This record gives sequence, C-alpha cells and structure tokens, in this order.
Amino acid sequence: GAVVSQHPSRVICKSGTSVKIECRSLDFQATTMFWYRQFPKQSLMLMATSNEGSKATYEQGVEKDKFLINHASLTLSTLTVTSAHPEDSSFYICSATGTSGGSYEQYFGPGTRLTVT
Amino acid sequence: AQKITQTQPGMFVQEKEAVTLDCTYDTSDQSYGLFWYKQPSSGEMIFLIYQGSYDEQNATEGRYSLNFQKARKSANLVISASQLGDSAMYFCAMREGVTNFGNEKLTFGTGTRLTIIP
Repeated sequence: GAVVSQHPSRVICKSGTSVKIECRSLDFQATTMFWYRQFPKQSLMLMATSNEGSKATYEQGVEKDKFLINHASLTLSTLTVTSAHPEDSSFYICSATGTSGGSYEQYFGPGTRLTVT
Repeated sequence: AQKITQTQPGMFVQEKEAVTLDCTYDTSDQSYGLFWYKQPSSGEMIFLIYQGSYDEQNATEGRYSLNFQKARKSANLVISASQLGDSAMYFCAMREGVTNFGNEKLTFGTGTRLTIIP
C-alpha cells in the first residue's frame, strides 16, 4: 500500500525558534496533502490543505504566517512552525492522496510530536 | 452542529466478543464518504474501512464491518471476535461533496477509546 513518511518523529525546540516538519509520499505522487494537529486526548483538526505548486488553503482560525506550508513537489510537503511557543506543542500529522482516482482513502504519516519548551 | 458524533468516549470489551462503535454524521450533500481509522498509542492513523454514500452494500474488511444506515445517518463500526491488539482509539470521519476522489478534506469525530480485556 501507499506509504507516507514524516520527519522528524519527535522534536523539542525552545520557545521562539522555528521548526520544519517534512511529509513525503514514498511510493506514489501526491497532488494533495493535508496537515492535521492533534492535542492530547483530542481529535484530529485539519489545519490546511496543500496542493502541489500552489498556495495552501488554511482552515479558519489557523495562522498562515505562523504555520508555513510548502508543497514544492508531488512527493514532499513541509510545515514550518515559526516562532514556536509552548501552546504549539502538539502532535502534527500529515496525509496524502494519490493522483489516481482509484484510491479513495487518505494515507497518513506516522506523525510528529512537537514539544516547545 | 457537529458533523461527526461519536458518543462513546470509552468502551471496555471482553476479548473474543464483538463490539460496535457508534458514529452518526450530519451532511446535506448527496455524495459523501465515511471512514473509520484506528489510532494506537504510537499515534499513527490506520485506515480500517470505507463506505460511500451510494454504496448499497455495507462495507466489510476482514473482522471489520460498517453498519451503514443512511436514513438514520449512522455508520457504526463492528469489530468481530475482538483481540487484545484492537485496543486503541477509533475515529469516524467523513468526506463531503466527493467530486475528485481523495482530494476532499476529512472531518473527524472525537473518537472512542476501546480497551479489550483479556
């Protein structure tokens, strides 16, 4: 089946610094990637939808300048948390869908646990 | 109004018994898709089963089946012969307005934590 990877799996950073999280589709081309955030014991909340070669579409309430998303190729999307603060500590999960219409499920990455100290 | 409602925050089930996890949804779209995902403590989201709004048969995947009742807007997950490894969080999700397979966003419910008792 389709595989999506995320790097890093865990990251600890100091308040005020920026952190980049990568999401890669390993064996298929992903025209669309999604970024979710999950706080402890809560559900996944969609942050933004990322289409290759175009600007990301952010959900209401998500700060575009704080969560920078780049989808430069059909296999890679990045999420950069700029000037991170402790309240940004969360589990960030990406997902990707392929170019083929025969695949109807989103393939999720393993997630990145961000801790801001 | 919540688009996806999961009313069972936690469930305890004896090993080898069947378990039903409830999910109701709200949409005005005629074309939509319903998903169930399993999230173990490691955090990864594991796809279990999918039901399209136009599918007349209930979806089945091994020990998983989806009890789709369109008029009631419910899409309950049934796990038969539960195993210890089934202990995890389970999320119901919906994709609305399916026009281009796979490119519409998912809305998730709050999840149900299932614990299988030996």
